[in-house]
Amino acid sequence: KQEVTQIPAALSVPEGENLVLNCSFTDSAIYNLQWFRQDPGKGLTSLLLIQSSQREQTSGRLNASLDKSSGRSTLYIAASQPGDSATYLCAVNSYSGGYQKVTFGTGTKLQVIP
Amino acid sequence: EPEVTQTPSHQVTQMGQEVILRCVPISNHLYFYWYRQILGQKVEFLVSFYNNEISEKSEIFDDQFSVERPDGSNFTLKIRSTKLEDSAMYFCASEGYNEQFFGPGTRLTVL
Repeated sequence: KQEVTQIPAALSVPEGENLVLNCSFTDSAIYNLQWFRQDPGKGLTSLLLIQSSQREQTSGRLNASLDKSSGRSTLYIAASQPGDSATYLCAVNSYSGGYQKVTFGTGTKLQVIP
Repeated sequence: EPEVTQTPSHQVTQMGQEVILRCVPISNHLYFYWYRQILGQKVEFLVSFYNNEISEKSEIFDDQFSVERPDGSNFTLKIRSTKLEDSAMYFCASEGYNEQFFGPGTRLTVL
């Protein structure tokens, strides 16, 4: 059974700082890994998707890396802004009985202080 | 760009009532999913659906839940007799090219 852990659970940083969010998963037989952003009471905004054959993906100030063999992914946010304040979710899409199933982590709640 | 849509965005119901949450997946996708997120908790898998039948379900998905694809476009989640603990955000997803695309969610409030 796939388990996904995110560390830290919460993070508070001053504006402009670079930061790293961590995600670990127990079963390396994955299709892909996705990072989402979730604002309070809102839905899921997809940020980056890394296929199992890829090592990293970049979008603007965001960079996500994947080390499948060690079961780890990181989300790097450069030059953080107050608008980046949200909960960041790691979601692992893995093989389950012939079908795909996405397992979410509990998230990292990020606060960027102006 | 095609997207998954869900209706309603917010549903308020009385305990014991039946609710149907609706989803319109991306048109050429074949695999469909429901997830839920209780307030303050993580997003949890409920059920996957392929070829007009359930392919996998979690322990949460008991006899009170059912899914259906009544026509060529809609995918529904029915809760027969809602309980207070069913209050949550429910997300639908459809899958294409090894990626699941999530809808905006339906917030269900059971009073």
